[in-house]
Amino acid sequence: GENVEQHPSTLSVQEGDSAVIKCTYSDSASNYFPWYKQELGKRPQLIIDIRSNVGEKKDQRIAVTLNKTAKHFSLHITETQPEDSAVYFCAVRPFGNEKLTFGTGTRLTIIP
Amino acid sequence: KAGVTQTPRYLIKTRGQQVTLSCSPISGHRSVSWYQQTPGQGLQFLFEYFSETQRNKGNFPGRFSGRQFSNSRSEMNVSTLELGDSALYLCASSWQGYEQYFGPGTRLTVT
Repeated sequence: GENVEQHPSTLSVQEGDSAVIKCTYSDSASNYFPWYKQELGKRPQLIIDIRSNVGEKKDQRIAVTLNKTAKHFSLHITETQPEDSAVYFCAVRPFGNEKLTFGTGTRLTIIP
Repeated sequence: KAGVTQTPRYLIKTRGQQVTLSCSPISGHRSVSWYQQTPGQGLQFLFEYFSETQRNKGNFPGRFSGRQFSNSRSEMNVSTLELGDSALYLCASSWQGYEQYFGPGTRLTVT
């Protein structure tokens, strides 16, 4: 089955700096790559996603890049703020299938 | 639109009992997926229902089952509870092939 590796597991960043989280996947049939943010005690919240026919997508301070050849995709957060502190999960989904396979999560801490 | 809702939010059961969790998807969403979240195993896919049919199933024992009703609401059932079943159970709904939105989860504690 699909295997998703996510790095780093923890990340501390000074407020205002950028944060990058990377995921690699194994199944070349995967064609949808969402990122979720989960604050303590809350539900995972979809923050950005990308499909395999696109290399990069940006939404204000958040961007995702996809390299299908290398089978990896990354989340970039610029100008980090304290409210960005949370656990971030990447996920992959193959075409025609609703099953999401998640990475192990990255705990991001923004240092004021 | 109202978001995904789950009931109950918290549940305490003893080993050997069974439990039923409920999920109401976003209006218009016909796909409902269930996930188990634990500190050790992370987020793991249980199963997915679409139009009252189970389309996908994860690697969980047969004690975990589910169903979906004609109004797209879904339930999952866990029989013969074990201590290791303690987890946050999340459901997510989607309009087929599009984004999945999660409910707040049901925190199940098995003692």
